[in-house]
Amino acid sequence: GAVVSQHPSWVICKSGTSVKIECRSLDFQATTMFWYRQFPKQSLMLMATSNEGSKATYEQGVEKDKFLINHASLTLSTLTVTSAHPEDSSFYICSATLAVAGNYGYTFGSGTRLTVV
Amino acid sequence: AQSVTQLDSQVPVFEEAPVELRCNYSSSVSVYLFWYVQYPNQGLQLLLKYLSGSTLVKGINGFEAEFNKSQTSFHLRKPSVHISDTAEYFCAVSEGGNEKLTFGTGTRLTIIP
Repeated sequence: GAVVSQHPSWVICKSGTSVKIECRSLDFQATTMFWYRQFPKQSLMLMATSNEGSKATYEQGVEKDKFLINHASLTLSTLTVTSAHPEDSSFYICSATLAVAGNYGYTFGSGTRLTVV
Repeated sequence: AQSVTQLDSQVPVFEEAPVELRCNYSSSVSVYLFWYVQYPNQGLQLLLKYLSGSTLVKGINGFEAEFNKSQTSFHLRKPSVHISDTAEYFCAVSEGGNEKLTFGTGTRLTIIP
């Protein structure tokens, strides 16, 4: 089945540094990827929609200069948290859509736990 | 705009008892509906989905859900739960194509031995 590989699974960084999270679609081409953020015991909130070869579309309230999204190829999308602060600590999850032969769905990465100290 | 409501934030159930997790949605167009399960510190695993056709959808791990258009609901059911079903369950809706998924707030299912 369709697999999205997300790395790293967890990362601890110092306040003020930048962190890059990668999501790769392993056996399919993901023209669209979504990035979500999840705070403890809460639901997933969409941060941005990433389309291959074009600029990401950010949801209202998400700082595009802080959360840089790049989708340079059909199999790789990255999220960079720039100048991270403790309030950016969260669980980040990517997702890709897949439409094959009338079937349709979303495949999720395993998530990245970011802790900023 | 689409939205999803999961009225029950927590559902405790005795082992081997049946369970129903409720989900209601709103949308101005036809939708695709999904149920996902999330174990601690993990991503989301698809339980089942409704795209079209039969309104009763069977998924993995013995779960099923029924799409009710008139009541705009997509409740998740399992006739007999196990300890391993303890997890967070999310209902989600999309308007198809490459549209985003909108999630409910989740229901924490706790199985009591």
